Amino acid sequence: DQQVKQNSPSLSVQEGRISILNCDYTNSMFDYFLWYKKYPAEGPTFLISISSIKDKNEDGRFTVFLNKSAKHLSLHIVPSQPGDSAVYFCAASVNSGGSNYKLTFGKGTLLTVNP
Amino acid sequence: DGGITQSPKYLFRKEGQNVTLSCEQNLNHDAMYWYRQDPGQGLRLIYYSQIVNDFQKGDIAEGYSVSREKKESFPLTVTSAQKNPTAFYLCATKFRGEAFFGQGTRLTVV
Repeated sequence: DQQVKQNSPSLSVQEGRISILNCDYTNSMFDYFLWYKKYPAEGPTFLISISSIKDKNEDGRFTVFLNKSAKHLSLHIVPSQPGDSAVYFCAASVNSGGSNYKLTFGKGTLLTVNP
Repeated sequence: DGGITQSPKYLFRKEGQNVTLSCEQNLNHDAMYWYRQDPGQGLRLIYYSQIVNDFQKGDIAEGYSVSREKKESFPLTVTSAQKNPTAFYLCATKFRGEAFFGQGTRLTVV
């Protein structure tokens, strides 16, 4: 049973436009969400997170939106740049993401930003 | 330099042999994790350890074993019982909400 779902395996956008990556979850106990970016043959790197007490968190070109009632979150990248081309993983945790609680990852979305 | 070191980056083994993947960290984090990445499968949790001398099975633990004798080290053994061991293996630590990943080990079994 997949608790974190990224239904789009891939997304292609033009440089300068907005990239929107989506993530759905089924476990209502999740209260902390993260996005990771991964290049081939490297470990994922942390991008941005959001707690369930918020519905939006912004960091530079990256904004994460959380809709708790729909159990849906999205990552917006504006403007998109070719260097953003990577696989993006959505992850979720319980108990506000405390160190003792594991992260559950989605399958990832491959973003390609075309020059 | 603080971080997580996985070695080697590429590893080749013959079918039927056990192999151990190294993961060392100097971040002083208590929690450590092993994930496996396959194409189209995302990151799947193999084992995790919240503290020294303690570890729990993740979602796909069959065919794997771990130990946590020191805070800094969390080696993963891929045994001959693992049916499809060829994959990209990622070690991570976790501190508060965030996971920190090593660079991964690509294991190929021939």
